[in-house]
Amino acid sequence: AQTVTQSQPEMSVQEAETVTLSCTYDTSESDYYLFWYKQPPSRQMILVIRQEAYKQQNATENRFSVNFQKAAKSFSLKISDSQLGDAAMYFCAYMSGGSNYKLTFGKGTLLTVNP
Amino acid sequence: EAGVAQSPRYKIIEKRQSVAFWCNPISGHATLYWYQQILGQGPKLLIQFQNNGVVDDSQLPKDRFSAERLKGVDSTLKIQPAKLEDSAVYLCASSLSGVGQYFGPGTRLTVT
Repeated sequence: AQTVTQSQPEMSVQEAETVTLSCTYDTSESDYYLFWYKQPPSRQMILVIRQEAYKQQNATENRFSVNFQKAAKSFSLKISDSQLGDAAMYFCAYMSGGSNYKLTFGKGTLLTVNP
Repeated sequence: EAGVAQSPRYKIIEKRQSVAFWCNPISGHATLYWYQQILGQGPKLLIQFQNNGVVDDSQLPKDRFSAERLKGVDSTLKIQPAKLEDSAVYLCASSLSGVGQYFGPGTRLTVT
């Protein structure tokens, strides 16, 4: 079974600074997807960024980018120019490239942004 | 485009009582998921529907949990009887293509 590990229960960053959240995963599959989701206190899970395993290029979405290291099974999220609205729980998630589209989540990292 | 709707947002019940949650997915989304999120953990998939058929219910405690998706649109998740350890947020998600899942606001269940 696939597992997702987020080793940082909590992180903090100063507003306008850069922070990196870590994620590692374990799988024997070659076809899969990786995601970062953001969950503010309102509980609505919001997709931040997505990476297809077959793509060598790291995904970017505005201030959010990933460092995908397939051989090391590592998938970190970098948030640049942090804003107060970035404060939330961040979850790393894995999805098999098979047909069932099941998401397996890590335990999350709570990000605090200090003004 | 309206998002995934869930109700109620909060529910408090006593153990051994029953409870039901409702989810209305984004229009046209064939796949619907129910997740359980216990405090301090990531969401865990309980059941996945494709239209009105079950794709995966391997982690659903079938002795007390049940779910249905009549007519392939709305879905209801039921717990009967509830236990203390069922206290959690229950998230519903839907997807069109499978890879992109859109989540609802969740229902926070407290079992006392």
